[in-house]
Amino acid sequence: DVKVTQSSRYLVKRTGEKVFLECVQDMDHENMFWYRQDPGLGLRLIYFSYDVKMKEKGDIPEGYSVSREKKERFSLILESASTNQTSMYLCASSPLRGYNSPLHFGNGTRLTVT
Amino acid sequence: GQNIDQPTEMTATEGAIVQINCTYQTSGFNGLFWYQQHAGEAPTFLSYNVLDGLEEKGRFSSFLSRSKGYSYLLLKELQMKDSASYLCAVRDDSNYQLIWGAGTKLIIKP
Repeated sequence: DVKVTQSSRYLVKRTGEKVFLECVQDMDHENMFWYRQDPGLGLRLIYFSYDVKMKEKGDIPEGYSVSREKKERFSLILESASTNQTSMYLCASSPLRGYNSPLHFGNGTRLTVT
Repeated sequence: GQNIDQPTEMTATEGAIVQINCTYQTSGFNGLFWYQQHAGEAPTFLSYNVLDGLEEKGRFSSFLSRSKGYSYLLLKELQMKDSASYLCAVRDDSNYQLIWGAGTKLIIKP
């Protein structure tokens, strides 16, 4: 069974702090994604990666960056956290670039920026 | 523009049947996914439709009409554990990415 693990379930950070959200998958998936989930909105794609050291911007990349140094690990970085980045962050992976490949999600990190 | 619409919330009774609708307007189409998400947990994959018609998987079925931009998820013999949010997502064929609806929160009452 595919496991996507996010390092923290809950985080509280102060405005201006640099924040790292870590995600690891154990099934050798090429594709990895970072989404944020807010009430009343669909999942919004922040960044994604199809390979090691490769990254592409999603729909809302502003204020975020990512790192993929190893195939199994995809990190989301908030360079200077702001209160409007308070949200649930979901990491996901999928095995290949097939149209019918479902995403496998981690349990999420609920980030609060004060 | 790209848009996916689902009802915000639905209520149904244990043992009954419920249909959750999803309508979409997207620039491209390469399949529609349904996911289930229990409160505080990860979304989990339920179904994928790319051709018109009904796909049945146990108590859950998913229907697609591409000409109408419409899908539904049908849940039969409802159980309390089916209380969750149900997310509809369309694969855009122009950039491969998923476009997500806001989700439907399903409440099951005894």
